[in-house]
Amino acid sequence: GEDVEQSLFLSVREGDSSVINCTYTDSSSTYLYWYKQEPGAGLQLLTYIFSNMDMKQDQRLTVLLNKKDKHLSLRIADTQTGDSAIYFCAESDGAGSYQLTFGKGTKLSVIP
Amino acid sequence: DTEVTQTPKHLVMGMTNKKSLKCEQHMGHRAMYWYKQKAKKPPELMFVYSYEKLSINESVPSRFSPECPNSSLLNLHLHALQPEDSALYLCASSHFSRGDTQYFGPGTRLTVL
Repeated sequence: GEDVEQSLFLSVREGDSSVINCTYTDSSSTYLYWYKQEPGAGLQLLTYIFSNMDMKQDQRLTVLLNKKDKHLSLRIADTQTGDSAIYFCAESDGAGSYQLTFGKGTKLSVIP
Repeated sequence: DTEVTQTPKHLVMGMTNKKSLKCEQHMGHRAMYWYKQKAKKPPELMFVYSYEKLSINESVPSRFSPECPNSSLLNLHLHALQPEDSALYLCASSHFSRGDTQYFGPGTRLTVL
């Protein structure tokens, strides 16, 4: 079945760039998503990328997709303490399933 | 506006209680979802409603009973829950159904005593 892998922890200093990585196995993935979850809160959709794109930029966020290696990354420029959260990578498959396959989440800690 | 609202924010209930969780969206989305999220884990899909009809039940125990009274509202009725059902319950919605971007609500933190 589909699998999405992420590293569990990332620690960066305030003002530096953060890069959160994700790999997936489903070659028919259509959309790939990044969600942010702050403690005790729901999931906030940060950005998504369609599988025929290589890159998407939205203010401080840059998503890179390497479809050949099935690798997705989220870069946060000028990381702030408010960026501390868990970041989930998720994919939906090309068959149009309702199911989102989530990674386990990367906990980003920003050191002031 | 991409807002999904959920009430209550917190709920504590005993194993013999009956309670309901409520979810609402006014984005015109025709698919709505219930997820369960345990601590330090990703969300797990429970139910999907598409055009107000139950499309998916991910083998959820019958003590959880979903209801979609109209296209904007989704309820989750709870009865005779177990302590292991304590979790964050998330509602989500999407424009149509398959493959569309899902927008999540803030969740209801449920504690079963």
